[in-house]
Amino acid sequence: QQQVKQSPQSLIVQKGGIPIINCAYENTAFDYFPWYQQFPGKGPALLIAIRPDVSEKKEGRFTISFNKSAKQFSLHIMDSQPGDSATYFCAASSTDNDMRFGAGTRLTVKP
Amino acid sequence: ETGVTQSPTHLIKTRGQQVTLRCSSQSGHNTVSWYQQALGQGPQFIFQYYREEENGRGNFPPRFSGLQFPNYSSELNVNALELDDSALYLCASSVGLAGAMNNEQFFGPGTRLTVL
Repeated sequence: QQQVKQSPQSLIVQKGGIPIINCAYENTAFDYFPWYQQFPGKGPALLIAIRPDVSEKKEGRFTISFNKSAKQFSLHIMDSQPGDSATYFCAASSTDNDMRFGAGTRLTVKP
Repeated sequence: ETGVTQSPTHLIKTRGQQVTLRCSSQSGHNTVSWYQQALGQGPQFIFQYYREEENGRGNFPPRFSGLQFPNYSSELNVNALELDDSALYLCASSVGLAGAMNNEQFFGPGTRLTVL
């Protein structure tokens, strides 16, 4: 059922580093690409989302880069902090398609 | 304004049994989606309810069924439990269909189901 491939599975960076998480999708009908952050024992929470007519979106320290022709998008976290340590999921959907999630990336930011 | 709540938090069942999980949507939300999240995996869409009607279903067998009530709360029922049904079950609510832009989904904390 997964139509969104996410990498890497896990990532360890030092405080202040810029972790980058990548996703690729198959269905060209997708028109909504959110990223979710999940802490242990909690449900996913929306972090930032983008539409395919935009190549980049920035909200605070979080930036999505989107490449429509390559069907790829990525999340960059600037000046990462230990509090950013969580599992991150990319997803894709449209009004006619249910939301498909990537397998997740476990990020650890070391102090 | 209360967020999405789910009950119970944890549940242990044996193979072949039936289970009902409950979800209260966020105030003002008319759509509820259910997801199954296996350990170390991303959530997988089970189905979505919009104004008490099923609106979209993922690749899950008919023994997974649901209901949405007039107050937009929802239930997920799973019959004839199998070992592979062990997972975290997440409920998410939104205003309008969850696949569309600007219809942000708000997730509950989930119900951890263990099937022995």
